[in-house]
Amino acid sequence: TQLLEQSPQFLSIQEGENLTVYCNSSSVFSSLQWYRQEPGEGPVLLVTVVTGGEVKKLKRLTFQFGDARKDSSLHITAAQPGDTGLYLCAGADNNNDMRFGAGTRLTVKP
Amino acid sequence: NAGVMQNPRHLVRRRGQEARLRCSPMKGHSHVYWYRQLPEEGLKFMVYLQKENIIDESGMPKERFSAEFPKEGPSILRIQQVVRGDSAAYFCASSLDGGWGYTFGSGTRLTVV
Repeated sequence: TQLLEQSPQFLSIQEGENLTVYCNSSSVFSSLQWYRQEPGEGPVLLVTVVTGGEVKKLKRLTFQFGDARKDSSLHITAAQPGDTGLYLCAGADNNNDMRFGAGTRLTVKP
Repeated sequence: NAGVMQNPRHLVRRRGQEARLRCSPMKGHSHVYWYRQLPEEGLKFMVYLQKENIIDESGMPKERFSAEFPKEGPSILRIQQVVRGDSAAYFCASSLDGGWGYTFGSGTRLTVV
């Protein structure tokens, strides 16, 4: 079972700042997803990346998949309070078994 | 079916009782996954089912826990003789073909008193 490590575990910033969170593993993934979870709700899929080196943008969010498909990063530009939540990465191996990291808890203060 | 439906949203059980958690996947999805989440933690995989088959139950405790996804009806996660340590949020997710992003339900929050 591959282990996905997310860093930092907690991040508290002011509105308008930029931030990057990371998802690292020693395993290669066929695909990797990022989710955002708000308190009391289930995770919501933000993006799926498949190709090594792939970059996807979703408004102020930029997702990158590492060249070796072992790691990924999520960069948020000009963070807003609405970005507050738990950001989870999940990786699928060649059997499509999906495993989640422990998440980064982001708080954006107004 | 607008999404993955889980019920109940909240469930309180006394120690030793049984808990039954239900999950109806998105229309057309035949892959169902159950995860457990403790406060301030990420999601821990429990079991992966396709219609009438358990594909991977490597994350499920060997005793007291069982899951099914019958041909008709929702997937059921069953916890027998619950203990306080079973208190957690249990999330169900479904996918069309596995591995390409899941749709999650809102979860069932189980409290064992």
